[in-house]
Amino acid sequence: GAGVSQSPSNKVTEKGKDVELRCDPISGHTALYWYRQSLGQGLEFLIYFQGNSAPDKSGLPSDRFSAERTGGSVSTLTIQRTQQEDSAVYLCASRTGSGANVLTFGAGSRLTVL
Amino acid sequence: GQSLEQPSEVTAVEGAIVQINCTYQTSGFYGLSWYQQHDGGAPTFLSYNGLDGLEETGRFSSFLSRSDSYGYLLLQELQMKDSASYFCAVRVTDSWGKFQFGAGTQVVVTP
Repeated sequence: GAGVSQSPSNKVTEKGKDVELRCDPISGHTALYWYRQSLGQGLEFLIYFQGNSAPDKSGLPSDRFSAERTGGSVSTLTIQRTQQEDSAVYLCASRTGSGANVLTFGAGSRLTVL
Repeated sequence: GQSLEQPSEVTAVEGAIVQINCTYQTSGFYGLSWYQQHDGGAPTFLSYNGLDGLEETGRFSSFLSRSDSYGYLLLQELQMKDSASYFCAVRVTDSWGKFQFGAGTQVVVTP
């Protein structure tokens, strides 16, 4: 596609529920990132996929968070048993390959946990 | 650990020049990037410095000194539309391309 697409754009859920956030990267981009941005804060690295290699999960804050990338394209970030502190904007970005330095971000998924 | 330090907010008038500094301490360093984010929008790429020196792109310039672990973004001829948050980001790995972001600097442009 023309850009990075994320869905849903807004999600309101109750504490304890599971949520799934989806990211469609730019076609042909081999690298995909998930970041979290709390209100007025910077971008917190969560996880990174590069081609067929094992992902870098070093930023996932707890075992309630997981992500997968199917077929080297679409990625899903899953948050189990959501907590109020999970409320944030979840940003996905993609990049063309190992030599490139430009991340293209999606508009984000705003998650609110009540 | 990783740390990127940048000022939280800068205010300036239209037409002025603003410099946003970024100092970093990271486990690896393979380049410094800058991103702009308007309220409610996605971060968008502005510039990248892999080597020491100044890179100029229109009204925006970015500088890097690897020996000082320091860089800056220079915004010239400020316009109201430049009101946004600006993030520095360090590429901390080479082949894997992992990027660590700073907390951002809110630039407020006044008439």
